[in-house]
Amino acid sequence: DAGVTQSPTHLIKTRGQHVTLRCSPISGHKSVSWYQQVLGQGPQFIFQYYEKEERGRGNFPDRFSARQFPNYSSELNVNALLLGDSALYLCASSYRRSENTEAFFGQGTRLTVV
Amino acid sequence: AQRVTQPEKLLSVFKGAPVELKCNYSYSGSPELFWYVQYSRQRLQLLLRHISRESIKGFTADLNKGETSFHLKKPFAQEEDSAMYYCALSGGFKTIFGAGTRLFVKA
Repeated sequence: DAGVTQSPTHLIKTRGQHVTLRCSPISGHKSVSWYQQVLGQGPQFIFQYYEKEERGRGNFPDRFSARQFPNYSSELNVNALLLGDSALYLCASSYRRSENTEAFFGQGTRLTVV
Repeated sequence: AQRVTQPEKLLSVFKGAPVELKCNYSYSGSPELFWYVQYSRQRLQLLLRHISRESIKGFTADLNKGETSFHLKKPFAQEEDSAMYYCALSGGFKTIFGAGTRLFVKA
């Protein structure tokens, strides 16, 4: 098992554009969470999805949205990109949605907005 | 409001010295607390969680609800412990990470 995989690994977008980031969880994991990590800070929680439904949301604007597919993979969408959206976006999967469950992280997608 | 505070951005110790990475949290309910570690060029990974009450790689962490702390400790630091350490709190279907502490163990 390759673990949690994210694509692409890097991308550069222009302000105002839209971006879609993708995440494939570990086989058998039904929960996917998304995080934004700005340089020098810890990961900031964006969303948690479990069984294709949003279960938790962080303090991010409505420009951020996500969904989970029947195979439990997930997409994070960001509209009207701002320079401040430049960050490492991390995806994590876990077997259950309970809060004491270990999360397994992907390698991240580095987004640069110019 | 949920909050995790790691007061030290960088902690530098000599090999064999004791290590304590501090973590304080703010949460109104009963949180689940974790320590995650990121070694150079590797993914973020779980080191330990308070519910397991286990020692991993010689590290332990005790949840002190009175002081709302979950400090990570190791009696004798090793060079391979050099990494970025994040304290995290899960509650209400959110997981909050601290800003992280970089541990550097000198030979």
